Amino acid sequence: EVVLTQSPDFQSVTPKEKVTITCRASQSIGSSLHWYQQKPDQSPKLLIKFASQSFSGVPSRFSGSGSGTDFTLTINSLEAEDAATYYCLQTSSLPLTFGQGTKLEIK
Amino acid sequence: QLQLQESGPGLAKPSETLSLTCSVSGGSLTGSSDYWGWIRRPPGKGLEWVATIDYTGRTYYNPSLGSRLTISVDVSRNQFSLRVTSVTAADTAVYYCARHRGSGSYWDYWGLGTLVTVSS
Repeated sequence: EVVLTQSPDFQSVTPKEKVTITCRASQSIGSSLHWYQQKPDQSPKLLIKFASQSFSGVPSRFSGSGSGTDFTLTINSLEAEDAATYYCLQTSSLPLTFGQGTKLEIK
Repeated sequence: QLQLQESGPGLAKPSETLSLTCSVSGGSLTGSSDYWGWIRRPPGKGLEWVATIDYTGRTYYNPSLGSRLTISVDVSRNQFSLRVTSVTAADTAVYYCARHRGSGSYWDYWGLGTLVTVSS
């Protein structure tokens, strides 16, 4: 099973800051890594697919990078509406696995 | 626009069998390359993949959940379902149904989720 480890678990940030969330895989997964945003009482929303491809309709301040075992989600110029929990998901092999989540709080 | 909606009992007793249904509108369950599945989020925890069924009817299960799972499709009703036998408090979660297109791809359409609480 591929274990995904996100860091940090929690971050408190101010609007307009740049935020970086990392996701490390326990073995190489190529580019089969996707990022989701989940707000309370909502279903997860896809932000980035295959490590670096923006999903349709997602604001341009969200970007992703990485391949193999190390991946990064970057949020440029954070907005108040970005308060949420962020998850990475690997689809390289079964079982599909998620990172433990990174909760972003806006100060 | 594809839409998915979960339905379930809300409350289940320990050792019972849990049945959840996902109703799909705006698209067909027989679409080529489509995979349909369930993901859950226990309270205070992260997301966990549960099970998937593909357009050929092949099924895939999370081995951490043992042999308690059955996922199936009812094409006539445009629904797919999940059965979980011998539920315990650890199965308490919000259950989401979702779709991905193509093997190894991302979940793009999700339902809103249904909360299932296992308690006596």
